[in-house]
Amino acid sequence: EVVLTQSPGTLSLSPGERATLSCRASQSVSVTQLSWYQYKPGQPPRLLIYGASSRATGIPDRFSGSGSGTDFTLTISGLQPEDSAVYYCQQYSSSPLTFGPGTKVEIK
Amino acid sequence: QVQLQQSGPGLVKPSQTLSLTCAISGDSVSSNSVAWNWIRQSPSRGLEWLGRTYYRSKKSRWSYDYAPSVKSRVTINPDTSKNQFSLQLNSVTPEDTAVYYCVRDYLWAFDSWGQGTLVTVSS
Repeated sequence: EVVLTQSPGTLSLSPGERATLSCRASQSVSVTQLSWYQYKPGQPPRLLIYGASSRATGIPDRFSGSGSGTDFTLTISGLQPEDSAVYYCQQYSSSPLTFGPGTKVEIK
Repeated sequence: QVQLQQSGPGLVKPSQTLSLTCAISGDSVSSNSVAWNWIRQSPSRGLEWLGRTYYRSKKSRWSYDYAPSVKSRVTINPDTSKNQFSLQLNSVTPEDTAVYYCVRDYLWAFDSWGQGTLVTVSS
């Protein structure tokens, strides 16, 4: 099973700042099979990034993804108050499909 | 636009079977390019993928893939006549209490989610 580790656990930043979220895999993940999701309580998770770096439909361009192999990054440039949420990475390279534990982004 | 509408009871007794259904609109359960998943979320386990089913016309058959953590207790079934798919989880315990989601995956990502169903296992 591919274990995904996310850091930091919590990120507290001011509006307009840049957030850098890390996702590390216990074994190599195909770049086409790493995704990022945004979760807000009371809603289902929303797909932000697929294929490590492609934005899903309707996702603002302040969200970007990068990385390969075992290290991936989600960057939120110019944080907005509505970006307060938990962010999860997820791999599709091998079954069982797995998610990371999440990074909580708080807006000061 | 794909929409997934979940239905099923929110309360299940211990040792009984949890059953949920997901009705699909805007796509077909028999589509060749997607898979249909169940995922649950709880404070203790985070987001946990339970399994999926998908059809590939090249093989003319349905495939199933389940998480080892629930493999002995879980069944996901497509229903082509109603364009929906279902989840059955047997012998539930309080540890199965969670929000359950039906989810489509396309291009190796979960792009469409149902609204979620909170299922509580309690007597």
